[in-house]
Amino acid sequence: KQEVTQIPAALSVPEGENLVLNCSFTDSAIYNLQWFRQDPGKGLTSLLLIQSSQREQTSGRLNASLDKSSGRSTLYIAASQPGDSATYLCAVLGGGYQKVTFGTGTKLQVIP
Amino acid sequence: NAGVTQTPKFRILKIGQSMTLQCTQDMNHNYMYWYRQDPGMGLKLIYYSVGAGITDKGEVPNGYNVSRSTTEDFPLRLELAAPSQTSVYFCASSYSGSPLHFGNGTRLTVT
Repeated sequence: KQEVTQIPAALSVPEGENLVLNCSFTDSAIYNLQWFRQDPGKGLTSLLLIQSSQREQTSGRLNASLDKSSGRSTLYIAASQPGDSATYLCAVLGGGYQKVTFGTGTKLQVIP
Repeated sequence: NAGVTQTPKFRILKIGQSMTLQCTQDMNHNYMYWYRQDPGMGLKLIYYSVGAGITDKGEVPNGYNVSRSTTEDFPLRLELAAPSQTSVYFCASSYSGSPLHFGNGTRLTVT
């Protein structure tokens, strides 16, 4: 059974700092990995999706990497802003398109 | 293009009542999902559908039912509501491994 872990559960950084969020998974037989952002009381917004054949994806100040062999993904946020404050979740898509396993998220607070 | 639309946004039920959570997507996605999110527990898959007329159970299906008569709609039925079903419910859709798109959720309280 796939297990997805995100550490730390919470993170507080000063504005302008570069930061890395971690996601680890136990079964490397994945189809893709997706990073989401969730604001309080809202749904999940897709940030980046990395196919299993890819090593990284970039969107603006965000860069996500994937190392299938070690079961790890990182989300790098450059020059953090208070508007980046949210919970970030990673989700792994496994052998079937219905087998999406979510981590419990990292709650990020960027302090002005 | 509205994406994934869920109604209602909030609902309070008494124990034993029933209700249907509505979910509609306008992206012609074949896959649709229902998740529940409990504090500190992450998202758990309740049911999913790979196309009209096809549904299957996820991790936590007990107490719920679904149907998928059209590509667009995927309602979730709660029968005999229990306090353990107090949660935030999210509907999502995708096209065969493409990014998941989520609705804004339904916050349900059962008292």
